[in-house]
Amino acid sequence: QLQLQESGPRLVEPSETLSLTCTVSGGSIDNNNFYWAWVRQPPGKGLEWIGSVSQTVSPHYSPPLKSRATISEDAPNYQFSLKLASVTAADTAVYYCARHSHHSGYFNWGQGTLVTVSS
Amino acid sequence: QSVLTQPPSVSAAPGQKVTISCSGSNSNIETYYVSWYQQLPGTAPKLLIYENYMRPSGSPDRFSGSKSGTSATLVITGLQAGDEADYYCGTWDGSLSAHVFGTGTKVTVL
Repeated sequence: QLQLQESGPRLVEPSETLSLTCTVSGGSIDNNNFYWAWVRQPPGKGLEWIGSVSQTVSPHYSPPLKSRATISEDAPNYQFSLKLASVTAADTAVYYCARHSHHSGYFNWGQGTLVTVSS
Repeated sequence: QSVLTQPPSVSAAPGQKVTISCSGSNSNIETYYVSWYQQLPGTAPKLLIYENYMRPSGSPDRFSGSKSGTSATLVITGLQAGDEADYYCGTWDGSLSAHVFGTGTKVTVL
């Protein structure tokens, strides 16, 4: 059973960089059939895709976040990560890591981690 | 502002049926697979339906999905108290080059 777990600072100061890591267990992340993604959910609001990465294609990002987001893989350590630069209070959200097939669906999700942007 | 529109809420009595719509356009729903997610309070989303109507292992057959043109539908039959949750549709948008999710629908069991 594939499991994903987010980790990283829960509090980030405005203008700083948010950094999160997703650790995958129960499977490999160098499977060419799947993508690894970050999705966020501001308190009381809906889901927002941030971006995805896979072994076979370059990372791709949501257009509004493309200039600030970086997603990378660390296959030997069964991890992938998110960096979001120049954060503001609007970036406060629960951040989920997830696995999805190309355009099929998000099959596996982490439990999510609330990141608050505040001084 | 999501490109996929869902009703904010639907409700029905236990045992009844609810229908949740997801309205999009020819750059998303009409062209690409639609998936549906259930999010129980305080938990991560869970995949209910993928590729328009396919159920992953463990997804009850009380949940069914369909798609026609630029809209998709999730139907829940035999409604149970445990079905109270937020439900989201999702797909790829070719014009935006982005995964998109619907605005979300809260299901209330009366």
